[in-house]
Amino acid sequence: AQSVAQPEDQVNVAEGNPLTVKCTYSVSGNPYLFWYVQYPNRGLQFLLKYITGDNLVKGSYGFEAEFNKSQTSFHLKKPSALVSDSALYFCAVTPSNKIIFGKGTRLHILP
Amino acid sequence: NAGVTQTPKFRVLKTGQSMTLLCAQDMNHEYMYWYRQDPGMGLRLIHYSVGEGTTAKGEVPDGYNVSRLKKQNFLLGLESAAPSQTSVYFCASSSTLPHRGDRGQNEQFFGPGTRLTVL
Repeated sequence: AQSVAQPEDQVNVAEGNPLTVKCTYSVSGNPYLFWYVQYPNRGLQFLLKYITGDNLVKGSYGFEAEFNKSQTSFHLKKPSALVSDSALYFCAVTPSNKIIFGKGTRLHILP
Repeated sequence: NAGVTQTPKFRVLKTGQSMTLLCAQDMNHEYMYWYRQDPGMGLRLIHYSVGEGTTAKGEVPDGYNVSRLKKQNFLLGLESAAPSQTSVYFCASSSTLPHRGDRGQNEQFFGPGTRLTVL
């Protein structure tokens, strides 16, 4: 079955430290990959996407993600976390004819 | 631009009642979607539309109906609400389908959500 996994329900990081939110997927073909962020009581906002080309994708708010085809991963990263980065993060992947969202990872940045 | 808007923001229904959720977008997007978000389950697609006058079933369509009479609006209806439909509902739109990144901007723009409780 085609799927996307976010193995951590919650990630805690101290402010100023680097952060990583993990995403792995299992789909056939060459999918597109997305990260979205959801702040409290808000809808999802697009952060970044991988379509093709450079495996390191840069997005909004200083976030970046690295596409690793051999490990079927698309981890979200940021060199220095801010308290304002605290939110719910969703990875999404497109199999041939639809989009599948992960269950989300709650990121807590500790002051 | 307002982007994607949803009305109402909150609603409480009794089992068996009906209601319609309205989604509007001002980005001239062709594609629109209705999702539900439940704790620990991420987003699940209810119905979507690939253009004015079209609708299609998503992952969890049972108990819901939709209509897209105008390009900018996408309505989600619950004919006879059930407690299992208690959820947060999100509308989204995009200029092309997410899996057609070769055809342009395929990221989705989401509305602020509607929190529905069915008693």
